Amino acid sequence: GEDVEQSLFLSVREGDSSVINCTYTDSSSTYLYWYKQEPGAGLQLLTYIFSNMDMKQDQRLTVLLNKKDKHLSLRIADTQTGDSAIYFCAEKRSGAGSYQLTFGKGTKLSVIP
Amino acid sequence: EAGVTQFPSHSVIEKGQTVTLRCDPISGHDNLYWYRRVMGKEIKFLLHFVKESKQDESGMPNNRFLAERTGGTYSTLKVQPAELEDSGVYFCASSQGQGRTSGRYEQFFGPGTRLTVL
Repeated sequence: GEDVEQSLFLSVREGDSSVINCTYTDSSSTYLYWYKQEPGAGLQLLTYIFSNMDMKQDQRLTVLLNKKDKHLSLRIADTQTGDSAIYFCAEKRSGAGSYQLTFGKGTKLSVIP
Repeated sequence: EAGVTQFPSHSVIEKGQTVTLRCDPISGHDNLYWYRRVMGKEIKFLLHFVKESKQDESGMPNNRFLAERTGGTYSTLKVQPAELEDSGVYFCASSQGQGRTSGRYEQFFGPGTRLTVL
């Protein structure tokens, strides 16, 4: 299919781990990204992973990539109320000489105090 | 350093009217992108400028949309005439580099312009 798929909602308790999943489509995508959008703000790049990597860790964030299944996940350890936001998975495809980003619909993460 | 800025933040217009959105990229960024998110759907790519040239406009929905980037600095996106289905949030992004080795040249996004067509 053409779409990047994400579940729309996730609710976790403060202090627990959050795992947001994404299925992408283009096996030739070289970079995969996680963006965060807080209310009223633009998209902020959280982290990215190159397609020849399986895992990337950055402080509380862990990205896992299963290239065979085209599955990407973002784990947030010790989730805080400030992590409440919409998280977008995106892949960088090549097309017409450009490297446009293709986004999922976003997962709204709600953190319960 | 200032980030990507967009103007206006909100626009409410009637069907058939014209609206022009503006994006100021980060200084020195040659690459400028327009995306939009229609309610409940994905953020969709519209087009990509390298300096003042359109590199890829494959995402532009129809000829009611006109994007310009005169002088390779700020960009405008004009919708004329606007239709109800044009309502959504229009994002602009900019980046330094391109190409397969430049994934680290992340696209920095602006806050978006929320367009409502009544």
